[in-house]
Amino acid sequence: DAKTTQPPSMDCAEGRAANLPCNHSTISGNEYVYWYRQIHSQGPQYIIHGLKNNETNEMASLIITEDRKSSTLILPHATLRDTAVYYCIADNQFYFGTGTSLTVIP
Amino acid sequence: EADIYQTPRYLVIGTGKKITLECSQTMGHDKMYWYQQDPGMELHLIHYSYGVNSTEKGDLSSESTVSRIRTEHFPLTLESARPSHTSQYLCASGLGNTEAFFGQGTRLTVV
Repeated sequence: DAKTTQPPSMDCAEGRAANLPCNHSTISGNEYVYWYRQIHSQGPQYIIHGLKNNETNEMASLIITEDRKSSTLILPHATLRDTAVYYCIADNQFYFGTGTSLTVIP
Repeated sequence: EADIYQTPRYLVIGTGKKITLECSQTMGHDKMYWYQQDPGMELHLIHYSYGVNSTEKGDLSSESTVSRIRTEHFPLTLESARPSHTSQYLCASGLGNTEAFFGQGTRLTVV
């Protein structure tokens, strides 16, 4: 079963930062945190992943708390095309939870 | 662009038929996964494999079976299709602790 908890939905104004939280309080020391998003019923798209340190790439930033029990995905300047369901995964079997449906509002 | 392929993309089949959904990757990935997803619902992990001759069941009880005889190939078989099997099936592969890449999916309809 998925080991993560995410809010079911969030809204964000276009151009603003979207901050998506994820709780993974039972994560083990060797388990990474991965973020994916899915638009309609397409295959999920990889965004970013990390173990302990904060990570940044061209799509997003990942902030992992020091105790590793939670993380936040940051989309720095949300666009309408970022409207999707965002999934946080925190296990090595790749169980997806229910995700957060992000709606970017014009 | 990830090199993971699923065939067929769409399949309509009668109840009781045996079907095999194909998934292949050319990246030499050790880990492969099968997910089932109904429209608007979450992805459920039904099978995964960490390498040749390794297969495990996921969290969703499934009447399907899988095999991993070759690294690049991870087919999913339904011995006797039923309308309750109507769904989208997504395959993914990954290497070690790196990200997993997803195929385009197979939309199965059992009539």
